Amino acid sequence: GAGVSQTPSNKVTEKGKYVELRCDPISGHTALYWYRQSLGQGPEFLIYFQGTGAADDSGLPNDRFFAVRPEGSVSTLKIQRTERGDSAVYLCASSYHRESGYTFGSGTRLTVV
Amino acid sequence: GIQVEQSPPDLILQEGANSTLRCNFSDSVNNLQWFHQNPWGQLINLFYIPSGTKQNGRLSATTVATERYSLLYISSSQTTDSGVYFCAVDFKETSGSRLTFGEGTQLTVNP
Repeated sequence: GAGVSQTPSNKVTEKGKYVELRCDPISGHTALYWYRQSLGQGPEFLIYFQGTGAADDSGLPNDRFFAVRPEGSVSTLKIQRTERGDSAVYLCASSYHRESGYTFGSGTRLTVV
Repeated sequence: GIQVEQSPPDLILQEGANSTLRCNFSDSVNNLQWFHQNPWGQLINLFYIPSGTKQNGRLSATTVATERYSLLYISSSQTTDSGVYFCAVDFKETSGSRLTFGEGTQLTVNP
């Protein structure tokens, strides 16, 4: 596609529920990144994929967070047993290779009530 | 640890004024980008500028990698320039795996 697409744009869920957030990167971009942005702060790194594999997942806050990219294109960020502190905007970005510029999607605003 | 510091944190301008935003970073870099986050939250890539100078219309940026800083210049500001400007750096230490963002500069341009 022309840009990075993220769905849903907004998600409200109850504490303890499971959620999935989807990212569709720019066609041909091999690198994909997930970030999380809390109000008033800059985005913080979660995980980086090169192709199908997670090359760096050191930013995931705990084992409730997991992400996959099975075919090297679309990625899904999965959050189990959501907590109110997980509320944030989750941003996805892609790039052609790891040393080129990033393009970000519009984000998914997650609210845990 | 590796750090990205932006200044000023807040800036209020009258339409038509010029401004300079600064980004200091703590270590050697592979990549530096400037982004504009609009009021709807979309991060727009302004410049990919690990070194040198680039210009795009009323905006220009300069990165002096050896002195570990980058500057974003906005000339003849417009109300649509309002939003948060982020500097983000791919440090050599974490080469290719992530961008480290500064805290941003909140710019308000009044008519």
